[in-house]
Amino acid sequence: SAVISQKPSRDICQRGTSLTIQCQVDSQVTMMFWYRQQPGQSLTLIATANQGSEATYESGFVIDKFPISRPNLTFSTLTVSNMSPEDSSIYLCSALPPNYGYTFGSGTRLTVV
Amino acid sequence: ELKVEQNPLFLSMQEGKNYTIYCNYSTTSDRLYWYRQDPGKSLESLFVLLSNGAVKQEGRLMASLDTKARLSTLHITAAVHDLSATYFCAVYFHDMRFGAGTRLTVKP
Repeated sequence: SAVISQKPSRDICQRGTSLTIQCQVDSQVTMMFWYRQQPGQSLTLIATANQGSEATYESGFVIDKFPISRPNLTFSTLTVSNMSPEDSSIYLCSALPPNYGYTFGSGTRLTVV
Repeated sequence: ELKVEQNPLFLSMQEGKNYTIYCNYSTTSDRLYWYRQDPGKSLESLFVLLSNGAVKQEGRLMASLDTKARLSTLHITAAVHDLSATYFCAVYFHDMRFGAGTRLTVKP
C-alpha cells in the first residue's frame, strides 16, 4: 500500500506562534488533502492542495490562517498560523495514490498552550 | 453539498453479539470507504466499495454498498473486544467527506 509520512507526530506550542506540518507521499499524486479532527469529532476538510496552483479552502478556513504549499507531486505542508488553544486538534494529510485507496498520514497531534 | 450521516454514534455491545452500523449519503457517488480509528491514532482503511451491490468481508466485519439507496452498512459478527474503536464511513465526491463516526465499545 502507499505510504504517507507525516511530521511532526505531535507538538506543544505557545499561543501566537506557528507550526508547519509536512507530508511526504511515496508516489506521485495529483491532489493532497488536509483535515482537522478536533477531540472526539469527525474529520473536517481544511483544503485541497494541487501541485502548481493555490490550494482550495473549505468554508471556515482561510489561507492566512492555514497556508499550504504544494511544491511537487509528492510533498505538501500545512502551516497553522498565530495559534490559539482552539487550534488544538489532530491534523491529518491524505492523498489518493494511483491503484490504492485513499490514504492518510499518521497525523499530527497539536496542543496549543 | 455532500452530506454523510452515520448511525449510531455510540454503540456498546456484548462480546459475541452482532450489530450493523449505517451510513447514508446525499449525493451520487461510486466510492465509499470505511475506516477504523483507535484512540490517538490515524485512520486505518478497512474497505473500499466501488460499485452498487459491492460486498467485502474481512474477519468479523462485512461492508456493503447500495448506491441506489445511497446506503452503506458495516456489519459486525460475533463482536470481540479488539473491535473496540471508532468507525468512520466516508464518501468520495471531488473530495472525501466523513460521517460523524461510530464509537464502538465491546464489553466482555
